[in-house]
Amino acid sequence: AQSVTQLDSHVSVSEGTPVLLRCNYSSSYSPSLFWYVQHPNKGLQLLLKYTSAATLVKGINGFEAEFKKSETSFHLTKPSAHMSDAAEYFCVVSEPTGANNLFFGTGTRLTVIP
Amino acid sequence: DAMVIQNPRYQVTQFGKPVTLSCSQTLNHNVMYWYQQKSSQAPKLLFHYYDKDFNNEADTPDNFQSRRPNTSFCFLDIRSPGLGDAAMYLCATSREGAVSYEQYFGPGTRLTVT
Repeated sequence: AQSVTQLDSHVSVSEGTPVLLRCNYSSSYSPSLFWYVQHPNKGLQLLLKYTSAATLVKGINGFEAEFKKSETSFHLTKPSAHMSDAAEYFCVVSEPTGANNLFFGTGTRLTVIP
Repeated sequence: DAMVIQNPRYQVTQFGKPVTLSCSQTLNHNVMYWYQQKSSQAPKLLFHYYDKDFNNEADTPDNFQSRRPNTSFCFLDIRSPGLGDAAMYLCATSREGAVSYEQYFGPGTRLTVT
């Protein structure tokens, strides 16, 4: 069975400090993993993806994530938070078993304090 | 730029009055999806088209229908909207054969039911 757990529903950081959004997954296959960001009243934008290549993945806007198979984790990080990073972040797992195979975490709301 | 377009961005309808939401794409992807996203929740897949083949999720209410007249367009019809159908509706596309089944999302249509 496949599932995604985002360990924090809400994370609050000060501007300029590091960001860590945690994600654990379970999968019967070798999954693809994604982080999507959603700003208020907007669609989902892909931040980065892991597809069995390099385990450290760099995305847009300075975000990166590391795939750790032994820990079944795919945590999202950024060295220095910016006000514009305030948004909802979804960790998503995909498996090669059909077209409708995205499994979403419940989301983490990131607040950035000036 | 290739993209996924949703119209309108905001839609207000009356209780019980049929409404249609529109999605178009210039990516030439063969798979198109409709998601419902309620406040502070992850997107929930309603159905998808794999080329012309319609695939309904088991728990999608009969009140929701979809049409895909060609590769580029897909419509979501809500036959008799209830107050509980107020949500953000997201359209997404993907390409068969892509390594990761990455999905590309439109900006969404926010539906209000009065």
